[in-house]
Amino acid sequence: NAGVTQTPKFQVLKTGQSMTLQCAQDMNHNSMYWYRQDPGMGLRLIYYSASEGTTDKGEVPNGYNVSRLNKREFSLRLESAAPSQTSVYFCASERDTRSSGANVLTFGAGSRLTVL
Amino acid sequence: QKEVEQNSGPLSVPEGAIASLNCTYSDRGSQSFFWYRQYSGKSPELIMSIYSNGDKEDGRFTAQLNKASQYVSLLIRDSQPSDSATYLCAVRLGGGGGNKLTFGTGTQLKVEL
Repeated sequence: NAGVTQTPKFQVLKTGQSMTLQCAQDMNHNSMYWYRQDPGMGLRLIYYSASEGTTDKGEVPNGYNVSRLNKREFSLRLESAAPSQTSVYFCASERDTRSSGANVLTFGAGSRLTVL
Repeated sequence: QKEVEQNSGPLSVPEGAIASLNCTYSDRGSQSFFWYRQYSGKSPELIMSIYSNGDKEDGRFTAQLNKASQYVSLLIRDSQPSDSATYLCAVRLGGGGGNKLTFGTGTQLKVEL
């Protein structure tokens, strides 16, 4: 039982290049999230998906696109990378967002992205 | 005003002391409150959740919630060097936009020998 798996763990890009961060969970969770974490800024939500086939913008969606390929997988794409997108990216999953009770986020190990 | 606010620290406490971490939030409709611990270079992990006013204890950790004052706190008793980490407060907001989890910027805790 791997939980939430993110790839790649590290990536260096040049400005203008594109790339996709992959995320997969094996816990049969409905909801999946992409966060970025920058020093002094905490975790900021980029996009989330409450269920297969749906995606919504979070706090900082500009410059990103997402795809909820199926229930397991939620990818984050940078079409034209910028130095401001240098960050650590975390994928997370959760059983259900409709209940505000016991649902808990499970995070992947993170992907460290540097844009030169 | 940020939706979830924390003092960034660092908060330094001696080993064996009580560490007190605080968090305030702006949305009165918030329903669920969480404390995550994050070691340097690692992903956040949940240590406490609280949904009702009052205290909730789990081992050396106690979460306190006061919805009227809009704050949630985490007490760590008998602090150990292994507790040195950044503690993230997270709040599930009510209202529009779904039930997304919003994080504070985190408080860095240092437990000194």
